[in-house]
Amino acid sequence: QQQVKQSPQSLIVQKGGIPIINCAYENTAFDYFPWYQQFPGKGPALLIAIRPDVSEKKEGRFTISFNKSAKQFSLHIMDSQPGDSATYFCAASTRIQGAQKLVFGQGTRLTINP
Amino acid sequence: GAVVSQHPSRVICKSGTSVKIECRSLDFQATTMFWYRQFPKQSLMLMATSNEGSKATYEQGVEKDKFLINHASLTLSTLTVTSAHPEDSSFYICSATKGSGQETQYFGPGTRLLVL
Repeated sequence: QQQVKQSPQSLIVQKGGIPIINCAYENTAFDYFPWYQQFPGKGPALLIAIRPDVSEKKEGRFTISFNKSAKQFSLHIMDSQPGDSATYFCAASTRIQGAQKLVFGQGTRLTINP
Repeated sequence: GAVVSQHPSRVICKSGTSVKIECRSLDFQATTMFWYRQFPKQSLMLMATSNEGSKATYEQGVEKDKFLINHASLTLSTLTVTSAHPEDSSFYICSATKGSGQETQYFGPGTRLLVL
C-alpha cells in the first residue's frame, strides 16, 4: 500500500515532443506528490509538486496532472530539449511519526534526441 | 535558497573499516534530515529519519547498529557506515526539510561509497 508505481521505465522522445510519465498509488493518506529530476551521479532536484486538492499545476515547461479518484498523476514536459535527458522520479508522502516521509516511484530514464 | 551539501562526494575504503558521511544544510536550519540509499539504476530507498537532538528512526530492514546516524545540530547530520562490506557500496543521499513536518525535501548531491 506504500508503493508508488511509475511507468514507463524508459522513454525516448524527439526534441520538441511532449514526454509523459505516469504514476499510480494506493495509499489515500498520501497528501503531497513531488516530481524529482536526477542526473547521473547527482542528487535529485525538485521539479514541481502538487497536492490532491488540485487537478493540474504548471511551472514553466513542466505540468502535473492529478486524478484523485483514479489515484494517478503524471508529468508532462512541454517543448522537450536534449538537456531534459535525465531520470525522473515521482514520489508521494504522508506524515508518519511527525515527519513527511517520501515514497519514490521506480524512475523513468528519459532521453530527448536532438 | 535551500542548499544541502554532502562530504565527501566519493569515498573508497577497505572492507571492515568505518566511513562517516556528513550532510549539511547551508542556508537554512533543518529540523529533520533523511538518509537514502540508491543502488545503480534503482530508486531511492529511505534508510532513516533524523531529528535534531533525538535518536534517528530507522526503516524496516535497516540495521541501526551498522548505520549510525547523529543529528547534533540544526545544520548537520552524519551517517557512519560501520564495519563496511562490499555490499554496502552504494550512493548515499541525504535530504533536509526547513521545518518539522514540512513536505518539501531538499536533497544533497550524494556520496558514492565503494568498499573494496
